[in-house]
Amino acid sequence: ETGVTQSPTHLIKTRGQQVTLRCSSQSGHNTVSWYQQALGQGPQFIFQYYREEENGRGNFPPRFSGLQFPNYSSELNVNALELDDSALYLCASSRGLAGDPTTDYEQYFGPGTRLTVT
Amino acid sequence: TQLLEQSPQFLSIQEGENLTVYCNSSSVFSSLQWYRQEPGEGPVLLVTVVTGGEVKKLKRLTFQFGDARKDSSLHITAAQTGDTGLYLCAGLEEAGTYKYIFGTGTRLKVLA
Repeated sequence: ETGVTQSPTHLIKTRGQQVTLRCSSQSGHNTVSWYQQALGQGPQFIFQYYREEENGRGNFPPRFSGLQFPNYSSELNVNALELDDSALYLCASSRGLAGDPTTDYEQYFGPGTRLTVT
Repeated sequence: TQLLEQSPQFLSIQEGENLTVYCNSSSVFSSLQWYRQEPGEGPVLLVTVVTGGEVKKLKRLTFQFGDARKDSSLHITAAQTGDTGLYLCAGLEEAGTYKYIFGTGTRLKVLA
């Protein structure tokens, strides 16, 4: 069983640019959640995709957007990058909506993409 | 906005000692999870507690969910160097938004 994978591992961008981060969910999982983890902080929920639709969003501006594909892999797009967007971006996959008791609430995280905005 | 505060932020102890990490909020959560994260990796789920007052044990780790489902604790008995890492609690918001709120984290270092 393949775990959650993310690409790229590291990325350096300039303020104002756009970036796309990718996540492949674990086999059998149909839900992907994205989180931003600033240095020294806990992860912050960006949004969740369930069966190709956004289902739940955190306090992030519209320049953070996403997609989920029919194979349940997902992309996170960030436009007009700001210095404060520098962080570790994590995706997590689950068999159903994260927090669904029928899935035992389990979500599995990938290793993350470290984004640096200069 | 619901917040989860963890204490202590940092903890450095000798191998064999016991420790407790706390996760507190003024809000009620429908469930709460504990994760451990190591450098360069994503968080790994340790346990999920759902019922107020619930206690779960995972080898030397004991997790408790507060009666009011607003707080939780993680107790480690006879810490080992392999326990070193960042411990995160995450509460699931009520109202079915499926949004996990993560705590600020406790960085544990166990010295040989």
